[in-house]
Amino acid sequence: DAGITQSPRHKVTETGTPVTLRCHQTENHRYMYWYRQDPGHGLRLIHYSYGVKDTDKGEVSDGYSVSRSKTEDFLLTLESATSSQTSVYFCATGGSTNTGELFFGEGSRLTVL
Amino acid sequence: AQTVTQSQPEMSVQEAETVTLSCTYDTSESDYYLFWYKQPPSRQMILVIRQEAYKQQNATENRFSVNFQKAAKSFSLKISDSQLGDAAMYFCAYGSGGATNKLIFGTGTLLAVQP
Repeated sequence: DAGITQSPRHKVTETGTPVTLRCHQTENHRYMYWYRQDPGHGLRLIHYSYGVKDTDKGEVSDGYSVSRSKTEDFLLTLESATSSQTSVYFCATGGSTNTGELFFGEGSRLTVL
Repeated sequence: AQTVTQSQPEMSVQEAETVTLSCTYDTSESDYYLFWYKQPPSRQMILVIRQEAYKQQNATENRFSVNFQKAAKSFSLKISDSQLGDAAMYFCAYGSGGATNKLIFGTGTLLAVQP
């Protein structure tokens, strides 16, 4: 298994506050992703990275930003959290396009009151 | 844009019986990957099985097998000899590989296993 850790695992915050979720990997994978999981929607891609300082938007990127200053770390920031961003957030990594497989972290549950 | 559809929000199976979860997808690409991921109550996403589109042979992993129909864009998962531990949410996913290696997920099927 890819060593992927997310922090924090649980967070409750208030509307309008900034929130940063961290993803750390030990597998030296090139690709990293942030997904959100909501009932009835499955997992939807927020942002992804294909290398250090190389990031791009996914299908639900509004209200989110990301940064990747090192291969092992991928940060997801909610600039001003809203109740619609209450969700479970998953970080994933992929090492090769030859297999297509993604490896997932354990998820971070965020509640915005 | 590619899409993945799982039309069965919930399914139920008796222990030791066989169940099939459905998945259809839409793409204009000829080379891609398809996956089934399992998410138990622990929330961890676990890869169950993978299929490369260029391979005609259906993938099999122990009690899990797929029926891949490329022309019909269908990718169903069959679980044989169902066990209590198979109870989970199952997600079908499409990946084009390539420069971004992104996966597109269906909405999931919640499988209950009855003892």
